[in-house]
Amino acid sequence: GNSVTQMEGPVTLSEEAFLTINCTYTATGYPSLFWYVQYPGEGLQLLLKATKADDKGSNKGFEATYRKETTSFHLEKGSVQVSDSAVYFCALTASSNTGKLIFGQGTTLQVKP
Amino acid sequence: DTGVSQDPRHKITKRGQNVTFRCDPISEHNRLYWYRQTLGQGPEFLTYFQNEAQLEKSRLLSDRFSAERPKGSFSTLEIQRTEQGDSAMYLCASSGGIREGTEAFFGQGTRLTVV
Repeated sequence: GNSVTQMEGPVTLSEEAFLTINCTYTATGYPSLFWYVQYPGEGLQLLLKATKADDKGSNKGFEATYRKETTSFHLEKGSVQVSDSAVYFCALTASSNTGKLIFGQGTTLQVKP
Repeated sequence: DTGVSQDPRHKITKRGQNVTFRCDPISEHNRLYWYRQTLGQGPEFLTYFQNEAQLEKSRLLSDRFSAERPKGSFSTLEIQRTEQGDSAMYLCASSGGIREGTEAFFGQGTRLTVV
């Protein structure tokens, strides 16, 4: 079946450090891939997405590239800020076109000043 | 329209009681989803509506769970004879398109505690 695996957290970084959160997936067909973010006390928000192989999604300084050969969609940011502290979820929608999201378990990021 | 609204935000109930949650999606969105999230885990899909039709239900959705979306607008999720294992955050999401990668917008969720 379809599934998403994320690196375990929490991840603790100092401000301006480089961030990588690993995400790999298993899926039949050609899924779309997403990163959602959940800030403290808020609902899930879409951070970025990619719908086909080699696409790069980017937003707010975050980037992720859809790598079909390695079935990965790692999230990166060159210089994190305290305000980036949140829980990050990698997710996919299978090509069945219902739009149903399958999430990883989430990775907590804490950025210290 | 301010986004997806869920009510109540918090619910504490005694084991064996019935509870009902409401979701108001973004008005022009025809797709509506319910998810359940337990502590330290990602959301798990429960069910999906396109307009008023419930098109998919997860095996996680036991017979005690029922969802409706009358007239294709708001949706309700009812849990009958609640159990302690039902304690979780229940999330509603809506989306408006059928293209691959269409964004789903999430509500803030209803946190259920069964005591």
